[in-house]
Amino acid sequence: QQQVKQSPQSLIVQKGGISIINCAYENTAFDYFPWYQQFPGKGPALLIAIRPDVSEKKEGRFTISFNKSAKQFSLHIMDSQPGDSATYFCAASRRGGGYNKLIFGAGTRLAVHP
Amino acid sequence: GAGVSQSPRYKVAKRGQDVALRCDPISGHVSLFWYQQALGQGPEFLTYFQNEAQLDKSGLPSDRFFAERPEGSVSTLKIQRTQQEDSAVYLCASSFSGGNTEAFFGQGTRLTVV
Repeated sequence: QQQVKQSPQSLIVQKGGISIINCAYENTAFDYFPWYQQFPGKGPALLIAIRPDVSEKKEGRFTISFNKSAKQFSLHIMDSQPGDSATYFCAASRRGGGYNKLIFGAGTRLAVHP
Repeated sequence: GAGVSQSPRYKVAKRGQDVALRCDPISGHVSLFWYQQALGQGPEFLTYFQNEAQLDKSGLPSDRFFAERPEGSVSTLKIQRTQQEDSAVYLCASSFSGGNTEAFFGQGTRLTVV
């Protein structure tokens, strides 16, 4: 049962361009939507997260857009850099359940070419 | 330590062998999670501990998988009679408390069953 669907599977962007990754979820009880960045041989690291009471959150070059009615959220990476090349995972959880049990998407492998 | 530490980093097991994977969470972190990440996929939840209590083991794929955290700090994930489909990266994450705190991931243990 895939509760969080992520697309695209892979993405190639030129340096300076905008990278956009999309996710859709099914469970309306989810109340926390983080994005994780993972480099080869490393564990996932939290990049940015949003709660459903806001439609957008920006931190530096990274922005989450959230559409509660469509049950979709996306990550935008502005001015993409080669150092951003990694695998990105969206996730969702129901923090109101007492613990942060994360349901991950399948991941997007991003390559930023110089 | 500064982060979540997992050992060993790599483990090769012959089919049918038992393995034990260790996780040292960040000092003082109450919550501890185990995830399984198959090649090219997102992490999947296995089990959750709050201190020494295992409160959720709904993601353990079979009764060959067993996890413990006897003193509320170090945790061990044990897999009995390993099979080829157990080959994956096993990630441990810890957080300071329950639902409203960020989970920090270790680098994982890559298990290969031959």
